[in-house]
Amino acid sequence: KQEVTQIPAALSVPEGENLVLNCSFTDSAIYNLQWFRQDPGKGLTSLLLIQSSQREQTSGRLNASLDKSSGRSTLYIAASQPGDSATYLCAVGTGNQFYFGTGTSLTVIP
Amino acid sequence: EAGVAQSPRYKIIEKRQSVAFWCNPISGHATLYWYQQILGQGPKLLIQFQNNGVVDDSQLPKDRFSAERLKGVDSTLKIQPAKLEDSAVYLCASTISPVRNTEAFFGQGTRLTVV
Repeated sequence: KQEVTQIPAALSVPEGENLVLNCSFTDSAIYNLQWFRQDPGKGLTSLLLIQSSQREQTSGRLNASLDKSSGRSTLYIAASQPGDSATYLCAVGTGNQFYFGTGTSLTVIP
Repeated sequence: EAGVAQSPRYKIIEKRQSVAFWCNPISGHATLYWYQQILGQGPKLLIQFQNNGVVDDSQLPKDRFSAERLKGVDSTLKIQPAKLEDSAVYLCASTISPVRNTEAFFGQGTRLTVV
């Protein structure tokens, strides 16, 4: 069974800082990996989708990388803003479903 | 394009009562998922449909949970009777096809509180 771990569980940074969120998974036989953002009391908003054949994806200030062989993905956020404060979840597509980590709660301090 | 629609947004019920949630996936998405997200945890799959057939319900507590997708479009998830530990956010997601090479889109979720 796929196990997904996200470190750190919580992160607090001053505005403008660059930061990295980590996601690791135990089974490298994945189809894809997706990063989501979740605001309090809300659903999941898709940020980036990386297919298993890809190494990275970029969208604006976000860059996600995937190293399937080592079971790791990182989400890089450049020039963080208070509006980036949220919980970030990674989901690994394996078999017939997506397996989620427990998320990293990010707070960007103005 | 319209996103995944869920209702209600919030529900408070007493234990042993019943409750139902509704989901309308993105048009044309054949695969529909129901996830349960307990506070502080990542979402966990309850059931997956492909069109109107069940692909995986191995993690659905079948003694109290049921779900259907009769016409292969919208879906309902029911809990009867509810327990305190069912308090969670219930998320519906859809994809064009099963997991392989597809992006998942989630609804806003239904927050259930059982008192």
